[in-house]
Amino acid sequence: GPKVLQIPSHQIIDMGQMVTLNCDPVSNHLYFYWYKQILGQQMEFLVNFYNGKVMEKSKLFKDQFSVERPDGSYFTLKIQPTALEDSAVYFCASRGQGANTGQLYFGEGSKLTVL
Amino acid sequence: AQSVTQPDARVTVSEGASLQLRCKYSYFGTPYLFWYVQYPRQGLQLLLKYYPGDPVVQGVNGFEAEFSKSNSSFHLRKASVHWSDWAVYFCAVSISGGNYKPTFGKGTSLVVHP
Repeated sequence: GPKVLQIPSHQIIDMGQMVTLNCDPVSNHLYFYWYKQILGQQMEFLVNFYNGKVMEKSKLFKDQFSVERPDGSYFTLKIQPTALEDSAVYFCASRGQGANTGQLYFGEGSKLTVL
Repeated sequence: AQSVTQPDARVTVSEGASLQLRCKYSYFGTPYLFWYVQYPRQGLQLLLKYYPGDPVVQGVNGFEAEFSKSNSSFHLRKASVHWSDWAVYFCAVSISGGNYKPTFGKGTSLVVHP
């Protein structure tokens, strides 16, 4: 089935550094999402993105967070600077239109460890 | 805003037994409902989805779920559990006017005993 790829699968960084998480969404999908999952807890919505703009963001999407998809390449989540509480697994998702509207396809996650 | 409650944090069953994982949602209108499964160290995989129509939906690997508007529920069932079903199961709800972003429950961890 359709695949969403995330790079890196795991990143360890020091608090205060910048990190960029990359997502290669399903081809031809136009809507993109980031979710955050702290170990053993539920998935929390961060942000969704369409046509070069943030459509909606949650209170978890702090000012240090930003998203972009330059020139139709990777959809990225940047955190600058990072904080200890940013340690989590970040899942990217994308969706298309048509018969499967509403169904999101998730990547395998990028585990971020902030020391 | 919509919400999802999965009342059972952990369910333990014997291999071959039947299974029901409970999910209650809160939303005034008709939602889209999903069950996802997360195997260890993996992402979410869609098991099944409900769009307005037949209340019983069939998914992969013998899973099915039934939508009940009167009970605001979308319970997941399987007739005979296999050890490979050991995973965490998430129920999610989304609405057409909400960017389709799913709101997830806290998940139910399924443990399968031989």
